[in-house]
Amino acid sequence: GAVVSQHPSWVICKSGTSVKIECRSLDFQATTMFWYRQFPKQSLMLMATSNEGSKATYEQGVEKDKFLINHASLTLSTLTVTSAHPEDSSFYICSARDLTVSYNEQFFGPGTRLTVL
Amino acid sequence: AQTVTQSQPEMSVQEAETVTLSCTYDTSENNYYLFWYKQPPSRQMILVIRQEAYKQQNATENRFSVNFQKAAKSFSLKISDSQLGDTAMYFCAFMKPANFGNEKLTFGTGTRLTIIP
Repeated sequence: GAVVSQHPSWVICKSGTSVKIECRSLDFQATTMFWYRQFPKQSLMLMATSNEGSKATYEQGVEKDKFLINHASLTLSTLTVTSAHPEDSSFYICSARDLTVSYNEQFFGPGTRLTVL
Repeated sequence: AQTVTQSQPEMSVQEAETVTLSCTYDTSENNYYLFWYKQPPSRQMILVIRQEAYKQQNATENRFSVNFQKAAKSFSLKISDSQLGDTAMYFCAFMKPANFGNEKLTFGTGTRLTIIP
């Protein structure tokens, strides 16, 4: 099956610094990737849709200058949390869409736990 | 906008028993997809089962089956012969078709299922 990786799996940073999270599709090309945020004991909330070679589409209420998304290749999308603050601490999950598969499945990465001190 | 409701925050069942998780959704669309995802303690999202709205037949995957009632906008998951490895958060999700793989998933709030030995 399709595999999606994320790096790092966890990160701790100081308030005010920026953190980059990578999402890679390992065995397929993903023209579209999605970024989700999950707070403890809560559901996944879609942050943005990332399309290769174009600007990301952000969901309402998500600050695009705060959460920078770059989808520069068919296998890599990055999420950069700029000037991170403790309220940005969360679990970030990416998923990727394999367009060669017809049944609309998104394949999820293992997630990245971000803790901002 | 679509909404997905899971009215059972937590459930527990004895090993080998059958359990049913409820999900309702609200949409004005006629064509869409429904999913059940499992999130074990590892936090990795795993697809359990999917259902296309245009199919009347309920989807089944081994011990997992759904009861899809389109008119009632209900999509419940039945787990038969429950196993300890079924312990996880279960999320119901709705997807509206879109172009170029940009289909968005809307998740319910989740049901925490515990299988008791």
